[in-house]
Amino acid sequence: EVQLVESGGGLVQPGGSLKLSCAASGFTFSGSAMHWVRQASGKGLEWVGRIRSKANSYATAYAASVKGRFTISRDDSKNTAYLQMNSLKTEDTAVYYCTRHMNYYYGMDVWGQGTTVTVSS
Amino acid sequence: QSALTQPASVSGSPGQSITISCTGTSSDVGGYNYVSWYQQHPGKAPKLMIYEVSNRPSGVSNRFSGSKSGNTASLTISGLQAEDEADYYCSSYTSSSTPLYVFGTGTKVTVL
Repeated sequence: EVQLVESGGGLVQPGGSLKLSCAASGFTFSGSAMHWVRQASGKGLEWVGRIRSKANSYATAYAASVKGRFTISRDDSKNTAYLQMNSLKTEDTAVYYCTRHMNYYYGMDVWGQGTTVTVSS
Repeated sequence: QSALTQPASVSGSPGQSITISCTGTSSDVGGYNYVSWYQQHPGKAPKLMIYEVSNRPSGVSNRFSGSKSGNTASLTISGLQAEDEADYYCSSYTSSSTPLYVFGTGTKVTVL
């Protein structure tokens, strides 16, 4: 079964850091680009960033709202993607989803169940 | 880069057809055939319904169809069913380096 499982969410104070993990199974993780998407409570989806595969030099891209604060990485030996979040702000409070970019097409065809990040003092 | 514009809500009776619009610019929706649509039920993760404007992933009902004209993409649900009641989001690749992808504002579909 193709699956993504996020972990690492929790409560953190403003200015703090948190690292989310996304464990993949059921497909060739190393060949897939991966995205992070977030959703604040009662709000819409917001694209956070993406990391491409080794074949594409692990290229990353980020939303303006997180650029310079968030870093996406991956460990293909562990079939896991990561989202390192630093200098967290209250507006970063959201459910964070990792998603798989389709092979050869544009779309996010596999989504995790999400992990909740709450930034509050 | 602003979110793509969708109507806040659309409703229809069972068996009817409804269409959700998604308006962007020539830098996103109008510039690429990389529009996708996602369905999200309350408390659940989004699900891909349409990719690259009009393609359905395996397992998605053929009652769902997509199209695009200029800077506006559309999702049509025909033969509306109670299970179609959910939030729907469009998304597009953009020509800007940040963000690389943009989502729509979301549309709540209600089955009357």
